[in-house]
Amino acid sequence: DVKVTQSSRYLVKRTGEKVFLECVQDMDHENMFWYRQDPGLGLRLIYFSYDVKMKEKGDIPEGYSVSREKKERFSLILESASTNQTSMYLCASSSYRSEQYFGPGTRLTVT
Amino acid sequence: GENVEQHPSTLSVQEGDSAVIKCTYSDSASNYFPWYKQELGKGPQLIIDIRSNVGEKKDQRIAVTLNKTAKHFSLHITETQPEDSAVYFCAASKAAGNKLTFGGGTRVLVKP
Repeated sequence: DVKVTQSSRYLVKRTGEKVFLECVQDMDHENMFWYRQDPGLGLRLIYFSYDVKMKEKGDIPEGYSVSREKKERFSLILESASTNQTSMYLCASSSYRSEQYFGPGTRLTVT
Repeated sequence: GENVEQHPSTLSVQEGDSAVIKCTYSDSASNYFPWYKQELGKGPQLIIDIRSNVGEKKDQRIAVTLNKTAKHFSLHITETQPEDSAVYFCAASKAAGNKLTFGGGTRVLVKP
């Protein structure tokens, strides 16, 4: 079974903190994605990566950055957390021409 | 870019009845349309998908239809059961494996 794991299920951070969200997949997938999920807005793409050390902006990249140093790991970084970044963050991975598999999500609260 | 709209946002059905969720998309270059189910506390999970060279696809109680001309696709769940209660998302992409654009989601409640 494909497994996508995320480092934390729940996270509480203060405004201005630097926040790291980690995602690891165990299926040797080339593609990895970060989405945020907000009620009524569905899932919105923040960043994605089709290969190691490669990254592309999604629809809402402002305030975020990413890192992909190894094929199995894709990190989302909030350089200076703000309250409007309180959300559910979902990581996904896929192989070429296959479905995306999602992790369980990290619920981040910024106070 | 692509824009996907999903209706209704909530849907309440009696157990055994059918449920239908509709989505429209804007980019005629989209060719892959997956549907995801998200249960409480879990990440979304693919339940069915359809590619643009197919008009309809079925998997037991679930079916998806696609009208490329009108740019809309629908999910049909027949003989609903309480375990069908969840949030459902439609999405569109140029190809499987590529980035997805999601609809806003439909919360389905199946009443026993």
